[in-house]
Amino acid sequence: SQTIHQWPATLVQPVGSPLSLECTVEGTSNPNLYWYRQAAGRGLQLLFYSVGIGQISSEVPQNLSASRPQDRQFILSSKKLLLSDSGFYLCAWGQPNQPQHFGDGTRLSIL
Amino acid sequence: QKEVEQNSGPLSVPEGAIASLNCTYSDRGSQSFFWYRQYSGKSPELIMFIYSNGDKEDGRFTAQLNKASQYVSLLIRDSQPSDSATYLCAVTPGNQFYFGTGTSLTVIP
Repeated sequence: SQTIHQWPATLVQPVGSPLSLECTVEGTSNPNLYWYRQAAGRGLQLLFYSVGIGQISSEVPQNLSASRPQDRQFILSSKKLLLSDSGFYLCAWGQPNQPQHFGDGTRLSIL
Repeated sequence: QKEVEQNSGPLSVPEGAIASLNCTYSDRGSQSFFWYRQYSGKSPELIMFIYSNGDKEDGRFTAQLNKASQYVSLLIRDSQPSDSATYLCAVTPGNQFYFGTGTSLTVIP
């Protein structure tokens, strides 16, 4: 069966610090991978998606970036965090026209 | 115009009643349609998917799709307090995935 791992579960970072969130998927090949952010009480905002290694589509221009160094690994990064980067970050995987499946999420607080 | 529109609610129903959640979408090329449930502080979990016009039933849940009207709905029969959550509608024409902002449902004991 397929599983998705996302870590850490919670993170508290100072403004201006770097960020690296990692997501890995097991049990499937060449999945589409997605990063979302959800502000408190709000909907899902798609940040990045990837259909293959090294292929990243950015939906929202901001100080975040994403990379896919391996087929089942998706990394979200920032060089300098802003207060507005606080939120619930979700990684998801799926195949075309199939359901997306989410990791448990990372709750990021910026101080 | 948003790709997927949902009434944000909140929707309140008494325990045992039918909860009806609605969703409209704009991309006529959408091929697959999903309903997710999200409890507060948790990640969304898939509860239903539908690909063809008509109804699809799974336990207490029924998804309804009308592609001509670009309309998807979710019915929850015999609503339970544990059904209290935010329900997200999602559609995809392929690789892109579009989520609505969700409808908050409260089931009152």
